[in-house]
Amino acid sequence: EVHLVESGGGLVQPGGSLRLSCGASGFIFSSYWMSWVRQAPGEGLEWVANVKQDGREEYYVDSVKGRFTISRDNAKDSLFLQMSRLKAEDTAMYYCARTIGVHSFFDPWGQGTLVSVSS
Amino acid sequence: QSVLTQPPSVSGAPGQRVTISCTGNNSNIGAGYLVHWYQQFPGTAPKLLIYDDSSRPSGVPGRFSGSKSGTSASLAITGLQGEDEADYHCQSYDNRMRGVVFGGGTKLTVL
Repeated sequence: EVHLVESGGGLVQPGGSLRLSCGASGFIFSSYWMSWVRQAPGEGLEWVANVKQDGREEYYVDSVKGRFTISRDNAKDSLFLQMSRLKAEDTAMYYCARTIGVHSFFDPWGQGTLVSVSS
Repeated sequence: QSVLTQPPSVSGAPGQRVTISCTGNNSNIGAGYLVHWYQQFPGTAPKLLIYDDSSRPSGVPGRFSGSKSGTSASLAITGLQGEDEADYHCQSYDNRMRGVVFGGGTKLTVL
């Protein structure tokens, strides 16, 4: 069974940093694009970033460019999101998701990890 | 403000048919980019419901169907059941924003 488990969320002050991780199992991790999608409390979904199978191609939503970095370790079946210069508007549940194609659909999703940016 | 526009809420009685619209423009849906739909229950992660405009993953009941025309897409649910009460999100790609875009989500209430 395909399984994704996020970790690393928590409470951080504005301007701070946080690194999210996502462990994958049940599929050949190195064969898929992977993505991060977030959902602010009571709001809709927002795609954050995605990364190619070999880690050499990345895309970001404009609001996180220059602050967030997506990466992966195929040897450890893991996806990461390094977040810096965090803002209150980055507060959200962050989901990792297997991505079927560069800008295609997400299936499945992890259970999410909550990031709260507040002083 | 989401790039794709969905009604905030829809409702229907058990057994009825409901549709949820997803309206875009010529830089996303109207440009031919595929539309995908997700179902999300409170406190849980979204689950893929419809992909590539109208395809259903295995395990998704045939009561759920997707369609697309012009700059809009629709999710239809027939034979509405209480267990269908959830939030529904549409997704596509936007070539002006050069990224994946979502609708704001629609809350379905089964009366």
